[in-house]
Amino acid sequence: KQEVTQIPAALSVPEGENLVLNCSFTDSAIYNLQWFRQDPGKGLTSLLLIQSSQREQTSGRLNASLDKSSGRSTLYIAASQPGDSATYLCAACTSYGKLTFGQGTILTVHP
Amino acid sequence: GAGVSQSPSNKVTEKGKDVELRCDPISGHTALYWYRQSLGQGLEFLIYFQGNSAPDKSGLPSDRFSAERTGGSVSTLTIQRTQQEDSAVYLCASSLEPNEKLFFGSGTQLSVL
Repeated sequence: KQEVTQIPAALSVPEGENLVLNCSFTDSAIYNLQWFRQDPGKGLTSLLLIQSSQREQTSGRLNASLDKSSGRSTLYIAASQPGDSATYLCAACTSYGKLTFGQGTILTVHP
Repeated sequence: GAGVSQSPSNKVTEKGKDVELRCDPISGHTALYWYRQSLGQGLEFLIYFQGNSAPDKSGLPSDRFSAERTGGSVSTLTIQRTQQEDSAVYLCASSLEPNEKLFFGSGTQLSVL
């Protein structure tokens, strides 16, 4: 059974810092690894999707990497802003339609 | 609409009643998913529809839960004889094809009293 763990559970940083969120998964047989953000009371917004054959994906200030062999993914956020404050979730896709989510990292970026 | 639409946004019901939750996916998306988010449990997969194929129901927690997708578009999740442990946010998502980015709706907050 796939298990996904995210570290740290919460992170508070000053504006402008670069930061890294970590995600680990136990079963390396994945189709893809996805990162989402969730704002309070809202649904999830897709940030990045890394296919199993890829090593990383970039979108603006976000960069996600994937190391299947070690069961790890990282989300790098450059030059953080208060608007980046949210819960960040990673999810491993082990079969079509089934994402196994981590518990999330609550990020607070203070001015 | 431009995004995934769910209704109602909030539903309060009494234990033992049946409820129906609705999801309108993004037009043209072939895949539709239901997930549940509850405190202490995180996000759990419930059911997955892909085109005209038989749905993957392996995440449904009991036979009180059922879902259908009519005409390859709108989906309804039905919970019969609701229990307090069914209280959660029910999230619907769709994607253009399987193995592509999921787009989530804002969810239905279900409270069973």
